[in-house]
Amino acid sequence: DADVTQTPRNRITKTGKRIMLECSQTKGHDRMYWYRQDPGLGLRLIYYSFDVKDINKGEISDGYSVSRQAQAKFSLSLESAIPNQTALYFCATRASGGDQETQYFGPGTRLLVL
Amino acid sequence: DQQVKQNSPSLSVQEGRISILNCDYTNSMFDYFLWYKKYPAEGPTFLISISSIKDKNEDGRFTVFLNKSAKHLSLHIVPSQPGDSAVYFCAGSSGYSTLTFGKGTMLLVSP
Repeated sequence: DADVTQTPRNRITKTGKRIMLECSQTKGHDRMYWYRQDPGLGLRLIYYSFDVKDINKGEISDGYSVSRQAQAKFSLSLESAIPNQTALYFCATRASGGDQETQYFGPGTRLLVL
Repeated sequence: DQQVKQNSPSLSVQEGRISILNCDYTNSMFDYFLWYKKYPAEGPTFLISISSIKDKNEDGRFTVFLNKSAKHLSLHIVPSQPGDSAVYFCAGSSGYSTLTFGKGTMLLVSP
């Protein structure tokens, strides 16, 4: 079983709709992240959470919100989807402490906003 | 302002030869660098990393070199294999916080 799972894997929605992307992990990591990938733009950080009570905005948080329901679950919401939010979305996790910076990514959710 | 730059969008190499992927950064606070590999329809996977206190880290066919004075790092793959064909992302980190990624370089290794 995958350590970091994302649901749904693909989603088509219409402008103005509210949608939620979900991420679950079995790695026992404290830190979780949401990124989006656009062609030619690499990975950009949307939100991150260092534990259940800690939520931080990333580089491109406008138009998004998150919820850390439990250590293992981190959800990303688009309150009112718009076409330029069409992208590939990745969740990632990382252990806190130590000297390891490595983040582990889920398989991604491909979102199309019409 | 791009803090991590991968100026080559793509690179083509023949199987068995060396692949060299380059990355430049502007943030002097970065103290850790990572390379990720990404296949289509999959999430990025960690490949190799290097701390700023080192200038080289090697793992099998993969070696990362760091030149702090030039704010430049490179990933060497020797020998290159067709299965190495993927998009490679360079990332920098400061203070164990978040990663800043470059835009990626698509590597194509032909038989």
